Amino acid sequence: SQTIHQWPATLVQPVGSPLSLECTVEGTSNPNLYWYRQAAGRGLQLLFYSVGIGQISSEVPQNLSASRPQDRQFILSSKKLLLSDSGFYLCAWSVTGAETQYFGPGTRLLVL
Amino acid sequence: SQQGEEDPQALSIQEGENATMNCSYKTSINNLQWYRQNSGRGLVHLILIRSNEREKHSGRLRVTLDTSKKSSSLLITASRAADTASYFCASGGSNYKLTFGKGTLLTVNP
Repeated sequence: SQTIHQWPATLVQPVGSPLSLECTVEGTSNPNLYWYRQAAGRGLQLLFYSVGIGQISSEVPQNLSASRPQDRQFILSSKKLLLSDSGFYLCAWSVTGAETQYFGPGTRLLVL
Repeated sequence: SQQGEEDPQALSIQEGENATMNCSYKTSINNLQWYRQNSGRGLVHLILIRSNEREKHSGRLRVTLDTSKKSSSLLITASRAADTASYFCASGGSNYKLTFGKGTLLTVNP
C-alpha cells in the first residue's frame, strides 16, 4: 500500500532563517506531487505541483521554492522566512492521470 | 482565487441527525471531490463525482452535482460524534489540479 510522510511535524523558526520541509511517498512510482498551504480556518492554497523529477510548476509567486530531486521526494524550501510564511503545509500525491489526491499529515510552521 | 465555496461555514447538529453541506464553484469542471480534515491533520478523500454524474452514494455519504448551477452538496446521514471534522469540496479540471474551498466545520454533539 502507499504511504506519504512529511517531516518535521512541527517547526518554529525565526524570521529570516532558511526552511526545508520534506515529503516522501512510498509504494508508488512516478506520482504527481503537490505542496499546499493552509492558513488558520481557511481552505488549501496550491503552492507547487510536479509531474516528474525536476519538473516544478509554481502556482503563486512567493518566498518559497520547491524541488523534486528523486521520483518520490518533494522538498519545500525558503532562503529567508517571513512572518507570513506561517501556516500548515500539506504535501499530497496522486497517480498520474488520476484525480484523487492523498495527503500527508502536514507540517505546522510558526515563524516568529 | 479559490473556486469552491462551502456553505455553511459551520454546522452544529446532534448525533443521529443528517448533515448537509453545500459547495459552489465558478468554472467548468471534470469532477468535484469532497475531503474531510480532522483538526490538525491531513485531508482524507471521501468521494468523487464526475461532471456527467448527478448523484453518488458511498456508505452514509450522498453527493449531488448540479453543473447548471455550478453547485454540489454533501449529505451525511445518521451522523456520529466521530464525524466531527472540517469538510472541503475541491473542483478538478482537466489538468489534475484541485481548487479547494474554505470548508465547513461540522460539529456532531453526542
